[in-house]
Amino acid sequence: EIQMTQSPFSLSASIGDRVTITCRASQSISNYLNWYQQKPGKAPKVLIYAVSRLQSGVPSRFSGSGSGTDFTLTISGLQPEDFATYYCQQSYNTITFGGGTKVEIK
Amino acid sequence: QVQLQESGPGLVKPSGTLTLTCSVSGGSISTYYWSWIRQPPGKGLEWIGYIYYTGTTKYNPSLKGRVTISVDTSKNQFSLKLSSVTAADTAVYFCAREGGPVGSTDYWGQGTQVAVSS
Repeated sequence: EIQMTQSPFSLSASIGDRVTITCRASQSISNYLNWYQQKPGKAPKVLIYAVSRLQSGVPSRFSGSGSGTDFTLTISGLQPEDFATYYCQQSYNTITFGGGTKVEIK
Repeated sequence: QVQLQESGPGLVKPSGTLTLTCSVSGGSISTYYWSWIRQPPGKGLEWIGYIYYTGTTKYNPSLKGRVTISVDTSKNQFSLKLSSVTAADTAVYFCAREGGPVGSTDYWGQGTQVAVSS
């Protein structure tokens, strides 16, 4: 089973800040890495798939990078609607989620 | 537009079996993998397992053989059975489609709350 370790657990940031969330896989997962945003009481929605490809309709301030086992989600210019919890997910071998990162208002 | 809707009891007794159904509309279930994912209160997402329309399944090993996922293509539905439930199985249960490139989860149901309590 592939483990996904996400950090930080939570962070506080201000509007306009650049935010970075990291995710590490316990083994190489090629480009089978996806990022999701979840708001309270709602289902998650995919932001980025295949490491760096932006899902249709997702603002360009979201970006992803990485390879092999280490991956990053960056939000460039945090907006009020971006305060949420973010999850990474590997789909290389079945599915595993990271533990989540809650982005809160500073 | 593909839509998924979970249905089933919101309360299950300890040691009982949790049974949920996901109805898919706006597209055929006879493509892609279809997942069950859960989220305990205040915690993260846990993948339970998925099924292909042919009946091929994969499950999360942490659930230790308690899980069965089945599909009914004639009804465009798939179902989850989780046996020997305890309070630790209390969660919001989501059904979802693994239809994106590289198998990302591109469509989700709204989720259904299931509590395990006597």
